[in-house]
Amino acid sequence: GEDVEQSLFLSVREGDSSVINCTYTDSSSTYLYWYKQEPGAGLQLLTYIFSNMDMKQDQRLTVLLNKKDKHLSLRIADTQTGDSAIYFCAESMDTGRRALTFGSGTRLQVQP
Amino acid sequence: DVKVTQSSRYLVKRTGEKVFLECVQDMDHENMFWYRQDPGLGLRLIYFSYDVKMKEKGDIPEGYSVSREKKERFSLILESASTNQTSMYLCASSLAGQGASTFGSGTRLTVV
Repeated sequence: GEDVEQSLFLSVREGDSSVINCTYTDSSSTYLYWYKQEPGAGLQLLTYIFSNMDMKQDQRLTVLLNKKDKHLSLRIADTQTGDSAIYFCAESMDTGRRALTFGSGTRLQVQP
Repeated sequence: DVKVTQSSRYLVKRTGEKVFLECVQDMDHENMFWYRQDPGLGLRLIYFSYDVKMKEKGDIPEGYSVSREKKERFSLILESASTNQTSMYLCASSLAGQGASTFGSGTRLTVV
């Protein structure tokens, strides 16, 4: 079955880089996503990567995909206090299911 | 700006009550989803719908039902609320064939 795993907590200092990691088990995943959830809010799509890519950069965000190891990471450069949130990794497959499978979320705490 | 709107941010209901959670999207999306979010468990799919009057069970459908009479509206129904259904409920929608979903702000339901 599908399984997406993340560590639960990460603490960094303002200005440092943050790296949030995710592993998934289903090799048929076609897209992998990173969502951000701020306190009391829904999920906001940050970025996504297609499974035939190994890297995607978008301003301060860098997504790395190691398809062989089924490992996905999100790097946030120059982390700010406004980046404090829960970050969810999710996968979707080219099947009729159409829904995303989410990890448990990583709470990022940015200390001033 | 595209939106998924959930009718209530906070709800308190009694055990045994019938509860309706409403979700409306204005993006003409075909797919709509209901997830519940619990600490340490991430988001788990309850039900989804890929067309009007169509529905499919997700990973945890027990104790829930859904209704999709119009394309823009997807309702989640708790037939007889129980305390273990206390949770954050998130509605989402997406275009047919696309995995990326737009989320509502969530409804925090407490069953007492």
